[in-house]
Amino acid sequence: SAVISQKPSRDICQRGTSLTIQCQVDSQVTMMFWYRQQPGQSLTLIATANQGSEATYESGFVIDKFPISRPNLTFSTLTVSNMSPEDSSIYLCSVLTGGNEQFFGPGTRLTVL
Amino acid sequence: AQSVAQPEDQVNVAEGNPLTVKCTYSVSGNPYLFWYVQYPNRGLQFLLKYITGDNLVKGSYGFEAEFNKSQTSFHLKKPSALVSDSALYFCAVTNDYKLSFGAGTTVTVRA
Repeated sequence: SAVISQKPSRDICQRGTSLTIQCQVDSQVTMMFWYRQQPGQSLTLIATANQGSEATYESGFVIDKFPISRPNLTFSTLTVSNMSPEDSSIYLCSVLTGGNEQFFGPGTRLTVL
Repeated sequence: AQSVAQPEDQVNVAEGNPLTVKCTYSVSGNPYLFWYVQYPNRGLQFLLKYITGDNLVKGSYGFEAEFNKSQTSFHLKKPSALVSDSALYFCAVTNDYKLSFGAGTTVTVRA
């Protein structure tokens, strides 16, 4: 397994601003992911955070809105840019372990006013 | 394309009774199947997985799931439910590493 922490755990932000969410893992992992869980809904994959190269985004998500950094094998950030109330969600990072399991961080609960 | 269906939004059982949460999937190639549980205001916790091998897999907290290839199902089961099992359960599928999640099933176990 892996121990994953996220900062902040929650935030309330104003429309038009940006928020950067950090994800830290206690061991080196090859693959890290970012998911969104909109209120009362399931999880949707935003992107795969690639170390040393640009993130790979899923359909419906773009780099300008959700820039991602992955400077090393234990850390990644997701920025939610130019926020609107529709961005209010829980954002979760996950890592893929050697056993093909994905372990998830505790999530960042974002509310945009 | 891959997808998961959890046909029941809610499952209600009495404590001590068997619990089943249903999941069917669609994926190209061999499926990797997972169950996760989410407690209020907490992250997603891994319960169990099927990658290959025995169709019956055992996981955390006394849960198990049966992989049925012909029915493309991966139902989660627990022989005797506890009140503390009340939570939101997600089934997920992949054939590589990008997980697709079902809509989730809210389980309520009454004392």
